[in-house]
Amino acid sequence: DVKVTQSSRYLVKRTGEKVFLECVQDMDHENMFWYRQDPGLGLRLIYFSYDVKMKEKGDIPEGYSVSREKKERFSLILESASTNQTSMYLCASSPPDFSDTQYFGPGTRLTVL
Amino acid sequence: AQKITQTQPGMFVQEKEAVTLDCTYDTSDPSYGLFWYKQPSSGEMIFLIYQGSYDQQNATEGRYSLNFQKARKSANLVISASQLGDSAMYFCAMREGYGSSNTGKLIFGQGTTLQVKP
Repeated sequence: DVKVTQSSRYLVKRTGEKVFLECVQDMDHENMFWYRQDPGLGLRLIYFSYDVKMKEKGDIPEGYSVSREKKERFSLILESASTNQTSMYLCASSPPDFSDTQYFGPGTRLTVL
Repeated sequence: AQKITQTQPGMFVQEKEAVTLDCTYDTSDPSYGLFWYKQPSSGEMIFLIYQGSYDQQNATEGRYSLNFQKARKSANLVISASQLGDSAMYFCAMREGYGSSNTGKLIFGQGTTLQVKP
């Protein structure tokens, strides 16, 4: 069974803090993704990575950065958290097969006060 | 630009009845894949069904089927014999690019909240 884990289910931070969200997958997938989910907007891609040390901007990268030092781990970094980054953050991974699904972690609900 | 549209923010269905959740898409790529996910209140995203753009037959997985109308660019999810546990948010998503151009990226619709009434 594919497993994607995220470091926290719930997180509360203060404006200006540096925030790290960690994601680990155990299926040796090449591709990893970070999304944020907001009501009425669906899931929006922040960043993705198709290999170690490789990263690509998604649709809403502003205010975020990522790190992928090892194949199984993909970190999302909020350099200076702001209240408009309060959201649900979902990590996913997938193999390169075109028809294969992305496998999602349980999500981290981040609140920035 | 690539786009997925789900026009039903919320829907109700009576238990044991069938329900159709709408999804339309827009792409200029001849190769694409369409996915449906279920997200219960607990938050995890559960993969339901997949349809490839070159698949001749509509995909089916148990009580889920995908009504794929390529000319209309629609990929509606049909849930037969609804159960109380089907109450959740449902997302339609599209992947573009086949082979070397495939980065695995998905584009999601806004989601439809389904409530099943006993």
